[in-house]
This record gives sequence, C-alpha cells and structure tokens, in this order.
Amino acid sequence: GENVEQHPSTLSVQEGDSAVIKCTYSDSASNYFPWYKQELGKRPQLIIDIRSNVGEKKDQRIAVTLNKTAKHFSLHITETQPEDSAVYFCAASGAGGSYIPTFGRGTSLIVHP
Amino acid sequence: DGGITQSPKYLFRKEGQNVTLSCEQNLNHDAMYWYRQDPGQGLRLIYYSQIVNDFQKGDIAEGYSVSREKKESFPLTVTSAQKNPTAFYLCASSIDRAGGLGIQYFGAGTRLSVL
Repeated sequence: GENVEQHPSTLSVQEGDSAVIKCTYSDSASNYFPWYKQELGKRPQLIIDIRSNVGEKKDQRIAVTLNKTAKHFSLHITETQPEDSAVYFCAASGAGGSYIPTFGRGTSLIVHP
Repeated sequence: DGGITQSPKYLFRKEGQNVTLSCEQNLNHDAMYWYRQDPGQGLRLIYYSQIVNDFQKGDIAEGYSVSREKKESFPLTVTSAQKNPTAFYLCASSIDRAGGLGIQYFGAGTRLSVL
C-alpha cells in the first residue's frame, strides 16, 4: 500500500518568514495530493490540493509543488502569520482508482509574532 | 456546522466496557471513514464504508467495530479488546464517485479517555 512520509514534524518560524513542509510518497500510481490544516481544537480542513498532471498550484500565500519523478510534494507558505499556526497534514491517493487517502504524520507549524 | 456531526465531544470508558461513538452526515456523501489521531501519529484509518451495508477494515481495525445501516450514519464501537483506546477520534465523509477525489470532510471529533 501507499506510504507517506512528512517532514519536519515541528517547524518554528518568525512572523513574515516562509515555511516549507515536504512529503514523499511510495506509490507512483498516486495522482491526487491534498493538504489539510488542523487548528488547535478544531477539525482538519482542506486548504489546497494538486493533481499529478500539474506541477504547481498557488492560492494567495500558499502553494503546493509536485515532483512526480522524485515522488515528493511540498507545501509553501509565504509571509507567515500567527493564524497560520496549526498542524498540517499531507496525503496521497488515487492509485488503482481509489481515493482513500493515506496521510502523513503531520507537521506542527508555530509562527512567532 | 460542516454537515458532519460527531457525538459526544468527550467520552470516558471504564475497563472492560464497550463504548459507541456517533457520526452523522447530511452531505449526501457516499463514503464515510473513522480515523484515530494520536500525537505524532497523524491520522490512522480504522474503518471505512463506501456504500450502505458494506465496510472495510483500515490500517488499525483491531478492537473496533462499525455498522453502516443508513447512508447518513456510521457509528464506531470501541470494544474492550482495544487495550489502548485513549485518543482523539475523527469521522469523515467524502463523495465516492468519479471526480470526487475523496476530499475528506471531517467532524469535530470525540476525545475518548479511559477511567
């Protein structure tokens, strides 16, 4: 089955800095890669996603890049703000037509004012 | 709020007791899921169901049971066989047809503790 590794487990940045979270996946047939944000005490919510036919996708201050050859994808957050502090989960799915996600272990992002 | 409701928010289990966590959705989603969240472990899949009256084991199904008698409901029972049940449990649902992509819509979670 699919295996997703996520790094780092904790990331601490100053407000205004950029943050990058990286994930690798094992199944080359996976073709859908979502990112979820879970604020403290709240439910995870989808913030951005990318499909395998696209190399990069942006939405305001967040972007996701995908390298299919290397089987890794990354979340980039620019101009971080304290409200970006949360746990971020990457996931991979789509192999064999199944969209049941395999999640990474999560990254706790702390943005210091 | 979000269309998927979990109850209770907090639950306490005595040793040897079975407890049931409720999950209801009004999104008309086909698929429903249960995840267990432990610190540093991410979201681990316990069970999922893609259609009424059918469900499949996930990665950590031992000590848990589910039913899917209605499209809207997917309760999870934590049995006495689950020796380490203390965790945060998240229910999710998704559209399960071509183009649905399996985007997960999560409930607010149930925190289960052992007395």
